[in-house]
Amino acid sequence: QVQLQESGPGLVKPSETLSLTCSVSDDSISTGSYCWAWIRQPPGKGLEWIVNMCYSGTKYYNPSLKSRVTISADTSKRHFFLMMTSVTAADSAIYYCTRRTAFTSRRDIWGQGTLVTVSS
Amino acid sequence: QSALTQPASVSGSPGQSITISCSGTPSDIGDTNYVSWYQQHPGKVPKLIIFDVTNRPSGVSNRFSGSKSGNTASLTISGLQGEDEADYYCNSYINDGSWVFGGGTKVTVL
Repeated sequence: QVQLQESGPGLVKPSETLSLTCSVSDDSISTGSYCWAWIRQPPGKGLEWIVNMCYSGTKYYNPSLKSRVTISADTSKRHFFLMMTSVTAADSAIYYCTRRTAFTSRRDIWGQGTLVTVSS
Repeated sequence: QSALTQPASVSGSPGQSITISCSGTPSDIGDTNYVSWYQQHPGKVPKLIIFDVTNRPSGVSNRFSGSKSGNTASLTISGLQGEDEADYYCNSYINDGSWVFGGGTKVTVL
């Protein structure tokens, strides 16, 4: 079964840029009909969908975050990325990368999550 | 986009059935069958239990079932068990291409 693994700095300073990587254990990022997303969860709070990118190249963003967020991929290296600019304490959360089968709501593969804290 | 509306908490005794509602709008739940549900135990990764309104992934107990009527989706847990005590989140596609989660429901087994 495919596995996802998030990586990145656990601590980011306010106003700086957060960069996260999701490593995919198989070739499905370049060969399958899937959509790849970032979702976050502030400690003790609910889930928030941030952005997704499908195999076709289409990208969709949470309107409230769109101006600060970029999603991209390096399919040859089986990675996709999240970049979020001008972070504040409100961006402190566990960040998950996920895989969803295209044309369904079947988001069945999640990474273990990585905790990001925004603090000076 | 506004979060879908879920009750903050639902409780039930072992063996009972409970239903968690997820209220949306004509632009999300009311306009799609791309509605899913996730179970999250404390400190754990969310787990998909229902997708496309009514479908269960293999390995998920048939005690979990999903439905939709108008702008509201529902998750029913029948034969409630102690292991079902967790947080539950609904998730819906929005007709602009984005997705939205519900605020989450804490299920307590009495």
